[in-house]
This record gives sequence, C-alpha cells and structure tokens, in this order.
Amino acid sequence: SQKIEQNSEALNIQEGKTATLTCNYTNYSPAYLQWYRQDPGRGPVFLLLIRENEKEKRKERLKVTFDTTLKQSLFHITASQPADSATYLCAPSKAAGNKLTFGGGTRVLVKP
Amino acid sequence: DAGVIQSPRHEVTEMGQEVTLRCKPISGHDYLFWYRQTMMRGLELLIYFNNNVPIDDSGMPEDRFSAKMPNASFSTLKIQPSEPRDSAVYFCASSPPFHGYGYTFGSGTRLTVV
Repeated sequence: SQKIEQNSEALNIQEGKTATLTCNYTNYSPAYLQWYRQDPGRGPVFLLLIRENEKEKRKERLKVTFDTTLKQSLFHITASQPADSATYLCAPSKAAGNKLTFGGGTRVLVKP
Repeated sequence: DAGVIQSPRHEVTEMGQEVTLRCKPISGHDYLFWYRQTMMRGLELLIYFNNNVPIDDSGMPEDRFSAKMPNASFSTLKIQPSEPRDSAVYFCASSPPFHGYGYTFGSGTRLTVV
C-alpha cells in the first residue's frame, strides 16, 4: 500500500537558518507533489505544487525539489523566521483534482 | 471570496446522537473533499465529490458515516449514531479541476463525542 513518510520529530532551527524537510513515498508514482502549511487550530494552507518533470520550484523563501528516482521531495525554508513556525505536510497525487493522501507532517519551530 | 466555510466550528454531543457537519465550497471549484484529522492517524480522506457526484468513499469508516452534496454550493457529512472514537477535527476542502492551485481547506469542525 502507499506510504508517505515525513520526519515526525519536530525540527528546531535558529532564525535566519535554512530548514530542510523531507517527504519520502513508497509504492507510489505520483505525477504531482504538494506542500501545505498548518497552524494550530486551522486547516492546511496550500504552499507549492511541483510536477514530476520539474526538478525544482521556488516561491519567495520556499524551495521544493522532486526526485522521482529517489521517491523523495525536499522542502526548504531559507532565511527562516519565527513566523515560519508551523507543521508542514506533503501530499503526492496522481492527477489534477485527484484525491490527496497526506504525510504525517513535520513540525518546525524557528527560535529567535 | 470567503473561502471554504464550515459549520459548526465546534460540536459537543453525546454518544448515540446524530451529528451533521456542513460545508460550503468555493464557487467554481468542481471538487469537494472531506477529511478527518486526529493525532494518531493524521489527516485522512473520507470521501470526495466531483461535480456533486461521490467519486471515492473508500475512506468512510463505516455505515454510520454518510455524505451528500445536493448542489454545487453545499455538502454535509453525517454521523449516526456518533461514538466517542469519532472525536476529531473534520475538514472540508475544495479545488478547481485544473492543477497548480492546490486545495483550499475550511477552518474545520472540532467534534467531541462524550
């Protein structure tokens, strides 16, 4: 069965440093991979989508890579700020509009 | 745009009672999803609709759960009878038919069954 793994341990990082989160998947060949941010008591918020034929995608201080050989996506937050503290979820999908299966999320805590 | 609107925000009910959760998706979004989130199991897809038609309900835990989408602007998730293990946060999300925009989630309904 499909398995999506994110580091369940919280990532503590100093303000200004780069946070790197990992999303690994098995028994799955997604065409897309999405990343979401979730704050306590709120629904997930869409951040970025990367396609299987894209190696890298950027949005402001965020960067996502997608390696279909390694079956892995990396999510980077550069020049991290305390406001970046949240849980980040990855979600691969097969096609547009198709159902998303989410990883367990990684909590990031940026300390000033 | 007000985003995806869910009601109620919080619901406390006694075991055995019927619970109805409501969702209004974003206008123009063809897809609607119901998710449940718990600490133990994370975010689980329960059911999703495309153009008001249920496409995949394989995530619905059991017959006590049912979902409807009578029109493009409204969906309900019903639990009857409710049990304490149904306690969770239930999210509704909608998305357009084309990729690149992701899902838009509502604020969720926190359900507590006592």
